[in-house]
Amino acid sequence: DAKTTQPTSMDCAEGRAANLPCNHSTISGNEYVYWYRQIHSQGPQYIIHGLKNNETNEMASLIITEDRKSSTLILPHATLRDTAVYYCIAGPKYNFNKFYFGSGTKLNVKP
Amino acid sequence: DTAVSQTPKYLVTQMGNDKSIKCEQNLGHDTMYWYKQDSKKFLKIMFSYNNKELIINETVPNRFSPKSPDKAHLNLHINSLELGDSAVYFCASSQEDRVGNTIYFGEGSWLTVV
Repeated sequence: DAKTTQPTSMDCAEGRAANLPCNHSTISGNEYVYWYRQIHSQGPQYIIHGLKNNETNEMASLIITEDRKSSTLILPHATLRDTAVYYCIAGPKYNFNKFYFGSGTKLNVKP
Repeated sequence: DTAVSQTPKYLVTQMGNDKSIKCEQNLGHDTMYWYKQDSKKFLKIMFSYNNKELIINETVPNRFSPKSPDKAHLNLHINSLELGDSAVYFCASSQEDRVGNTIYFGEGSWLTVV
């Protein structure tokens, strides 16, 4: 299963877009890119996932490069409540036994 | 309504005791999981279970055992607790054949062994 690489931490100003990168250069053809976040003292929360097309939902947008070796999660207007650890995971669809949560990116949204 | 609920949220107990953490999901999912998040914040899967099979992470000591009385519940039993068992334990569930499905987590149970 593909492992992912993310920066340890990032800062973002409140109201600005937060762009969180993820490298998954060994991703295989049947693996999706999932994003979760964990707000302090809470359980991980699903954000978005995609295979090769860009995806958007009410929380975020996911941009996947054409070669699928990297992706970017975009929070269009970050708020203080978006401060959390963001995990990028590459795994087969529906088979969550293969989910590997790395160390993630700690996003600090500042006023 | 809470989709995945765990009890207790906080548990402080002495070494050598046996304890259980309960988990219930009201999503109708057929697969449930237990994860452990240690002091370094790494989240690791311990077990996954559906009505067909139990998959155990081989690194989990056999003092840990999941018990599923029915499809909506997966409890975690821990025997002979050790200091190193102190962590946050998360229950989760998913439905593997449902389009657009993902894995849902509970709020966690903070276990402290003293």
